[in-house]
Amino acid sequence: QSALTQPASVSGSPGQSITISCTGTSSDVGNYDYVSWYQQHPGKVPKVIIFGVWSRPSGVPDRFSGSKSGNTASLTISGLQSEDEATYYCSSYTNIKWPAHVFGTGTQVTVL
Amino acid sequence: EVQLVESGARLVRPGESLRLSCEASGFTFRNYWMTWVRQAPGKGLEWVANIRPEGTDKYHADSLEGRFTISRDNGRNSLFLQMSSLRVDDTAIYYCARDSNNFYVDSWGQGVLVTVSS
Repeated sequence: QSALTQPASVSGSPGQSITISCTGTSSDVGNYDYVSWYQQHPGKVPKVIIFGVWSRPSGVPDRFSGSKSGNTASLTISGLQSEDEATYYCSSYTNIKWPAHVFGTGTQVTVL
Repeated sequence: EVQLVESGARLVRPGESLRLSCEASGFTFRNYWMTWVRQAPGKGLEWVANIRPEGTDKYHADSLEGRFTISRDNGRNSLFLQMSSLRVDDTAIYYCARDSNNFYVDSWGQGVLVTVSS
């Protein structure tokens, strides 16, 4: 199960918007609307912030939004805040080995 | 409140075996798929294995080459990961996690560190 491809790092100033891409294949991201996004602060446990491509669990601010086009999913953080500085991972299921999860390579978000 | 508490952290030698345990509480354990995810030091998340609620079907990452086995005991609300022929590159934090019914991991344990070193 090959990892989904994410940029290693993305940065932005407070209040700006940033977008993190997550590129997979027609066997995973392109085949299912089961893309989820996890936020992980250093030394902490991952936390889901988006599931089902665009749905937010209760308690997650609406400045986090998800989308998908073809084999690429995206996470947008609008109105960037200092507490958003963390590593973000996307995830999908894959039909190569259902029901395996496949995670992205991770993106370090830096708030300038 | 969903709680997942892993145990079994250890320093082991290459080639040895180890069993991790995860005790679940705060939800009806037997109704959920469960998953193990690992994270090597300074690295990303890697799916290890998951198991059907009934425990009848188990799925493991191909990269493990058959060395790990996931299992569960619904009577004890517990999830297990039996690891054998451990290698240095198996060194990681191992997370016990619950799969939601909407195809994502909605709860994570605090993780247990497994260090494989000679």
